[in-house]
Amino acid sequence: DAGVIQSPRHEVTEMGQEVTLRCKPISGHDYLFWYRQTMMRGLELLIYFNNNVPIDDSGMPEDRFSAKMPNASFSTLKIQPSEPRDSAVYFCASRGDRSSYEQYFGPGTRLTVT
Amino acid sequence: AQSVTQLDSQVPVFEEAPVELRCNYSSSVSVYLFWYVQYPNQGLQLLLKYLSGSTLVKGINGFEAEFNKSQTSFHLRKPSVHISDTAEYFCAVSAPRGAQKLVFGQGTRLTINP
Repeated sequence: DAGVIQSPRHEVTEMGQEVTLRCKPISGHDYLFWYRQTMMRGLELLIYFNNNVPIDDSGMPEDRFSAKMPNASFSTLKIQPSEPRDSAVYFCASRGDRSSYEQYFGPGTRLTVT
Repeated sequence: AQSVTQLDSQVPVFEEAPVELRCNYSSSVSVYLFWYVQYPNQGLQLLLKYLSGSTLVKGINGFEAEFNKSQTSFHLRKPSVHISDTAEYFCAVSAPRGAQKLVFGQGTRLTINP
């Protein structure tokens, strides 16, 4: 299995631009998570899905952030408009219902907003 | 709600020396506990987990951890470290009913010196 795939690996954009991060979970996994990692705040859960349905988005910082999961093999995290404080590494993780709670993380997308 | 405190932000040790990374948690209910490792420029990988049963848990790469309910701790140990263990280590907690959501500590950077 290829593991969780994220794209792009690096993104540099200017303030005000729209940014879309993409994630392909491990085939057969029922849960998908989006995390953000910064030096100041550490690892934060933004949102998670179960069977493509958003379950908890309480970690989404503000309305500029949105996430979708149109099917079991694809999810996006969109920031519109982006701001410098959004600069972080964004991780996607997936979990199979029978995997004893282990989350499998992707390599992350490093976002820099100038 | 659950929270995690990793008491050391950085731990330098010499190769082949033993190491202990400390983790304390706070929760009003029973918990599941996890240790993840993050190598440079990579996503997180599960080292070990405690769900129930024996309080001494063995994981990958020779690591082990002991769950201590009375001290609300879940310290990670390795009797002899290698250069390849240089990484950031994260302790995480979840409540069984909400086991989809992981709350991470701030991380401990382990540096192995030759």
